[in-house]
Amino acid sequence: QVQLVQSGAEVKKPGASVKVSCKASGYTFTNYAISWVRQAPGQGLEWMGWISAYNGDTNYAQKLQGRVTVTTDTSRSTAYMEVRSLRSDDTAVYYCARDRAAVSPSVFDFWGQGTQVTVSS
Amino acid sequence: EIVMTQSPATLSVSPGERVTLSCRASQSLTSKLAWYQQKPGQAPRLLIYGASARATGVPARFSGSGSGTEFTLTISSLQSEDFAVYYCQQYINWPPTITFGQGTRLEIK
Repeated sequence: QVQLVQSGAEVKKPGASVKVSCKASGYTFTNYAISWVRQAPGQGLEWMGWISAYNGDTNYAQKLQGRVTVTTDTSRSTAYMEVRSLRSDDTAVYYCARDRAAVSPSVFDFWGQGTQVTVSS
Repeated sequence: EIVMTQSPATLSVSPGERVTLSCRASQSLTSKLAWYQQKPGQAPRLLIYGASARATGVPARFSGSGSGTEFTLTISSLQSEDFAVYYCQQYINWPPTITFGQGTRLEIK
């Protein structure tokens, strides 16, 4: 069965960086893409970025461009999302999700369990 | 950026009722529209993609319709497990970006 297992909760100080991992299993990793979505406390869903595990193409939300990097390690079937220069409003649950398409962001049919990232001095 | 607007923000309904949720896009999506359900403390779950196709394992009481800029999600007879927040999401290929609506919360009346 398809599973996405994310790394554990993080507490960071403002200005620091955080890197969250997402290990995929139960499917051929390079046939799909991974998107990252975050949810601030009590708020809705915000798409952050996307990477094709097929060809390495990436795409980012304009608001986060320059502060976020998504990567994959296909040998480990794992995706990573790094956010730099953290601010208090980056406090959120961060989700990875499998994208049904490999070549362009589309819809997300399987999700990780979420990783809580707290930014606090 | 394409703006997605969902209405209403909150809907109070009774089990067994039929409910329709709306989602409007600021520009045409053709049929590049998905719906998700999220329960407290859980990740979202894909319900509908391509505006009207049910994802694997989604009960037939969930149906999606619409095209262009106006879309609806209908739940034909609400079950207790359907009380949750519902989000629409656009995935038009150009510009290649994703946006979600702000969500509609279904509450028990």
